[in-house]
Amino acid sequence: AQTVTQSQPEMSVQEAETVTLSCTYDTSESDYYLFWYKQPPSRQMILVIRQEAYKQQNATENRFSVNFQKAAKSFSLKISDSQLGDAAMYFCAYSSQGGSEKLVFGKGTKLTVNP
Amino acid sequence: SAVISQKPSRDICQRGTSLTIQCQVDSQVTMMFWYRQQPGQSLTLIATANQGSEATYESGFVIDKFPISRPNLTFSTLTVSNMSPEDSSIYLCSVEDTGQGDTEAFFGQGTRLTVV
Repeated sequence: AQTVTQSQPEMSVQEAETVTLSCTYDTSESDYYLFWYKQPPSRQMILVIRQEAYKQQNATENRFSVNFQKAAKSFSLKISDSQLGDAAMYFCAYSSQGGSEKLVFGKGTKLTVNP
Repeated sequence: SAVISQKPSRDICQRGTSLTIQCQVDSQVTMMFWYRQQPGQSLTLIATANQGSEATYESGFVIDKFPISRPNLTFSTLTVSNMSPEDSSIYLCSVEDTGQGDTEAFFGQGTRLTVV
């Protein structure tokens, strides 16, 4: 079975600085999808970024980018120019299918942004 | 992208009772998913609900405890039956829909359940 591990229960960053959240996963599949979700106190799960395993190029979305290392099964999220609104729980997730079926989530990292 | 309305947003229930959570989507979707997020934990898939068929439950979850209905392509309910304090969690509904060109998961705002 696939597993997703986030080794940082909590992280903090100064506003305008850069922070990297770690995620590793375990799978025997060669094609799969990886996601980072943000969950603010409102509990709304929001997709931040996705990466398709067959794509070597790292995904980017504005201030958010990933470092996808397929051989190492690593999928870290970098947040540049951190903003107060970035404070939330961040979940790394895995799916063996193209959409979102059966997402397997990590335990999450609580990100605090200090003014 | 799908917009999901989930009700109730929170509830406090007595042990031994049941609570039904509703999930309404603003568009027709084939598959709906129910997740549980225990306090301080990650999300765990309970079951997948397709319209017109029995829900498919993940290991550790059974229909008698978490009966699910899916009467049409825009609506589903999850019932938490015979509740105990261990059922205190956030329950989230999710659907698969096409966002910005890619298929992705959209989530409701969740139901925070406290069992006393």
